[in-house]
Amino acid sequence: DVKVTQSSRYLVKRTGEKVFLECVQDMDHENMFWYRQDPGLGLRLIYFSYDVKMKEKGDIPEGYSVSREKKERFSLILESASTNQTSMYLCASSLYLGGGYEQYFGPGTRLTVT
Amino acid sequence: AQTVTQSQPEMSVQEAETVTLSCTYDTSESDYYLFWYKQPPSRQMILVIRQEAYKQQNATENRFSVNFQKAAKSFSLKISDSQLGDAAMYFCAYRSASGGTSYGKLTFGQGTILTVHP
Repeated sequence: DVKVTQSSRYLVKRTGEKVFLECVQDMDHENMFWYRQDPGLGLRLIYFSYDVKMKEKGDIPEGYSVSREKKERFSLILESASTNQTSMYLCASSLYLGGGYEQYFGPGTRLTVT
Repeated sequence: AQTVTQSQPEMSVQEAETVTLSCTYDTSESDYYLFWYKQPPSRQMILVIRQEAYKQQNATENRFSVNFQKAAKSFSLKISDSQLGDAAMYFCAYRSASGGTSYGKLTFGQGTILTVHP
């Protein structure tokens, strides 16, 4: 089974802190994604990566950066957390980027910024 | 840009009954993929069913089936013989089949919370 894990289920940070969210997948997938999930808005893509050290902006990249130094690991970084970044963050991976291939999701990290 | 709309924030169904979740999308493309994902409470999101736009036949996976109306840009999910384990948030998603800046990206709807009553 594909397994996508995220470093924390719940996280509470203060405004202005630098926050790291980690994601690891064990299926040798080329592609990894970071989404945020908000009520009434569904999932919105923040960034994705199609190879080590490669990244592409999604629909809402402002205030975020990412890092992919190893194939299995994709990190989301909030350089200076703000209260409007309080959200559920979901990581996903997929073997191929396009077509009908599914994305496999992690359990999510619920981040609260106070 | 493509948009996906789920107009039903919440739905409920009795166990063993049938329920249909609605999804509409807006695109100018002719080739694309559509998905329904399920997010159970406190559990990971999983794929329920997928549909390729160029295939006329509606996809079916056991108790789950879709009604794909390409001209109407509608992609509804029908759950037959509903079970307690079907209770979840359901998301409809769209992926373009063409290249360009949208390649590989999934666009999700707002989600529908399904409650199953025993």
